[in-house]
Amino acid sequence: EPEVTQTPSHQVTQMGQEVILRCVPISNHLYFYWYRQILGQKVEFLVSFYNNEISEKSEIFDDQFSVERPDGSNFTLKIRSTKLEDSAMYFCASSDINQSGQYFGPGTRLTVT
Amino acid sequence: KNEVEQSPQNLTAQEGEFITINCSYSVGISALHWLQQHPGGGIVSLFMLSSGKKKHGRLIATINIQEKHSSLHITASHPRDSAVYICAPHNTDKLIFGTGTRLQVFP
Repeated sequence: EPEVTQTPSHQVTQMGQEVILRCVPISNHLYFYWYRQILGQKVEFLVSFYNNEISEKSEIFDDQFSVERPDGSNFTLKIRSTKLEDSAMYFCASSDINQSGQYFGPGTRLTVT
Repeated sequence: KNEVEQSPQNLTAQEGEFITINCSYSVGISALHWLQQHPGGGIVSLFMLSSGKKKHGRLIATINIQEKHSSLHITASHPRDSAVYICAPHNTDKLIFGTGTRLQVFP
């Protein structure tokens, strides 16, 4: 069964460093999402992406964040200058043209020290 | 006020019991998702529904759009059902997650 994959599974970085989290969505999906979950809290929406542009973003998704689909398979989330409060599990998700369900990757745990 | 409220927050059950988890939401939706999150963190989609009722194995999900309420039922619960169950209305282009219901089923 097709699945969403994410790399790395765990990333440790120092405050102020740039990080890129990578996702490979399901191949025929057209909608892509990033969510995050701070430890002990609920999952929060960051951004949705369709037709090579951001379709919606949350207040969390400020100028420090950016997304890109650099080729036909990868979908990336970049944090330019990480802060301690960016430490969280980041989930990528994708859905098909009918948005008939969102399929989640296993997550990348980001630890900012 | 939270846009999505789930109850109960925590639930303990004996194997075989019938489980009900409730979700109320205040936002406009195109559909509502029920998701399962295991201790390792992975999120699995259980249901997406926009009306009525859906059944998958021992799981049943219902939604009442007029009342902005959905329920997830687990029949004949089993220890492997132990997880966090999350209600997530689909609003515009995103899911809005509830805080989840932590279910523990004991043998």
